[in-house]
Amino acid sequence: EADIYQTPRYLVIGTGKKITLECSQTMGHDKMYWYQQDPGMELHLIHYSYGVNSTEKGDLSSESTVSRIRTEHFPLTLESARPSHTSQYLCASSVPGGRAFEQYFGPGTRLTVT
Amino acid sequence: AQKVTQAQTEISVVEKEDVTLDCVYETRDTTYYLFWYKQPPSGELVFLIRRNSFDEQNEISGRYSWNFQKSTSSFNFTITASQVVDSAVYFCALYRGSTLGRLYFGRGTQLTVWP
Repeated sequence: EADIYQTPRYLVIGTGKKITLECSQTMGHDKMYWYQQDPGMELHLIHYSYGVNSTEKGDLSSESTVSRIRTEHFPLTLESARPSHTSQYLCASSVPGGRAFEQYFGPGTRLTVT
Repeated sequence: AQKVTQAQTEISVVEKEDVTLDCVYETRDTTYYLFWYKQPPSGELVFLIRRNSFDEQNEISGRYSWNFQKSTSSFNFTITASQVVDSAVYFCALYRGSTLGRLYFGRGTQLTVWP
């Protein structure tokens, strides 16, 4: 069973607030990912990281930022939340090396910005 | 470009019916992996199956079966004798054989099984 955690699971917040979505994994995986999922839509990669101090933007342009100071921790921050940020955010990590296709997903954070 | 198409947005069946979820993919890579994930209302993604591009054998796991056909770029998923607990959104995904390790997801198919 994968050990990847996301907090909070649900968040309702007002416009303009700064928020951080937490993601942690205890498997020692180097690669971590953030996906954004709007209702009825596919998951879009918004950020990824190859390891500590390595972060890259994904396909979907996002106003969020990420950091990777520790291997196990990959938080996502929105400096000023807007209603367009309402979505589900899924964090994932993958096995190092040639088996990077084995991705483990966290339970997700459902964000609602009012 | 990589692309995954799930043409069926929503499917409704009555319990015990068989149902097939379609997935068509597009890639120029020769090495790739295909996946099916289940997303129940709670929101997490549950891994169901992975196939690599060199293995076209169909697979059966209990009530689930998968039909991979490279000739038509399809990777369809069949649930036999569906149950209410099968109600969920099902995603097909494609992984490129590159170092990035990213997945390309289809839009998902909402399956509702009525008692």
